[in-house]
Amino acid sequence: QITLKESGPSLVKPTQTLTLTCTFSGFSLSTNGVGVGWIRQPPGKALEWLALIFWNDDKRYSPSLMSRLTITKDTSKNQVVLTMTNMDPVDTATYYCAHESSFIPRRFDPWGQGTLVTVSS
Amino acid sequence: DIQMTQSPSSLSASVGDRVTITCRASQSISSYLNWYQQKPGKAPKLLIYAASSLQSGVPSRFSGSGSGTDFTLTISSLQPEDFATYYCQQSYIIPRSFGQGTKLDIK
Repeated sequence: QITLKESGPSLVKPTQTLTLTCTFSGFSLSTNGVGVGWIRQPPGKALEWLALIFWNDDKRYSPSLMSRLTITKDTSKNQVVLTMTNMDPVDTATYYCAHESSFIPRRFDPWGQGTLVTVSS
Repeated sequence: DIQMTQSPSSLSASVGDRVTITCRASQSISSYLNWYQQKPGKAPKLLIYAASSLQSGVPSRFSGSGSGTDFTLTISSLQPEDFATYYCQQSYIIPRSFGQGTKLDIK
């Protein structure tokens, strides 16, 4: 059974850097084809894809946020870390991590429970 | 980038109704289309992948169809637990993208 759980601060100040950790079990990020993605959802709004990291350390980012995002993995700890710099109140959202299947077509399944991050001074 | 557009944005229906939600991609995505269900305060849950494949454990009243740019999610007979928000998502290319969501509520 695959599970994922996000952790990190619930409140950050504007201009600060957000660091979120996704801790997972039930799969290995060294397995061919596997990925872990980050998706966020502002309150009452739609899902927005942020970043993906693959088993081979290939990293992909949302073009609109690329300059602010960094995704890394620690295979030995079963963790994926997302950092987002220069946080702004519009970045207030629930942040989810999700397993992206190695099977084609790829899909996000399952998702973590999400963590709400509020950006406010 | 591929834009995903869902219609309608919201929908009111009754238990037992047949409901269809549409998703359109800004370019062809073959069958690389997934559907998710999200209930308030919960993470999205995969319902349909590859446009028409039912995820394990999902009731058979859910079905998906389409290819290329036009896709549909159909619920054949609405149950009380189906009132939620539904999102489509393309996995054809990176960046991945989601539709804006369709909120299904009780009439």
